[in-house]
Amino acid sequence: GAVVSQHPSRVICKSGTSVKIECRSLDFQATTMFWYRQFPKKSLMLMATSNEGSKATYEQGVEKDKFLINHASLTLSTLTVTSAHPEDSSFYICSAAGTDHGYTFGSGTRLTVV
Amino acid sequence: GESVGLHLPTLSVQEGDNSIINCAYSNSASDYFIWYKQESGKGPQFIIDIRSNMDKRQGQRVTVLLNKTVKHLSLQIAATQPGDSAVYFCAERSGGSYIPTFGRGTSLIVHP
Repeated sequence: GAVVSQHPSRVICKSGTSVKIECRSLDFQATTMFWYRQFPKKSLMLMATSNEGSKATYEQGVEKDKFLINHASLTLSTLTVTSAHPEDSSFYICSAAGTDHGYTFGSGTRLTVV
Repeated sequence: GESVGLHLPTLSVQEGDNSIINCAYSNSASDYFIWYKQESGKGPQFIIDIRSNMDKRQGQRVTVLLNKTVKHLSLQIAATQPGDSAVYFCAERSGGSYIPTFGRGTSLIVHP
């Protein structure tokens, strides 16, 4: 089946620094990738949708300058949390969809900002 | 806006029992429903799906039931095992969109 790899699985960074999270579709071309944020014991909140080669579409309330998304190829999308603060600590999950593949989630990244 | 929600936030069962996790949805245009399992610290995994033209679908130890009249979806897990302990999300899609809308989630705890 379709596999989506997300890296790193855990990251701790200092407040004010930036963190990049990678999402890769390993065995299919992902025309669209999605980024979610999940708070403890809560559901997934869609942050943005990105199509390869174009700008991401952000959900209402999500700061595009804060959460930079790049989808430069059909197998890679990155989420960069810029100038991270403790309130950005969360579980970030990507998912990918391709023409012949349904919706597959990555394994998630636990971000802790100290 | 319309949403997908779950009745019970936590369900505790004994190993070997059958588990039923419920989900209510409000979007009458929803035509595709999915159940996901999310283990602690991991991304959601697809379990089973059902289209709105069906009312029941079975997988390995899992069954999804859809009642469109009352907009209710359930996931039944037979002979629940400790490895089934996780958070289960229902999700719905409508209008050809492949972006699912997720419900709140139910935490299933299986006691050995």
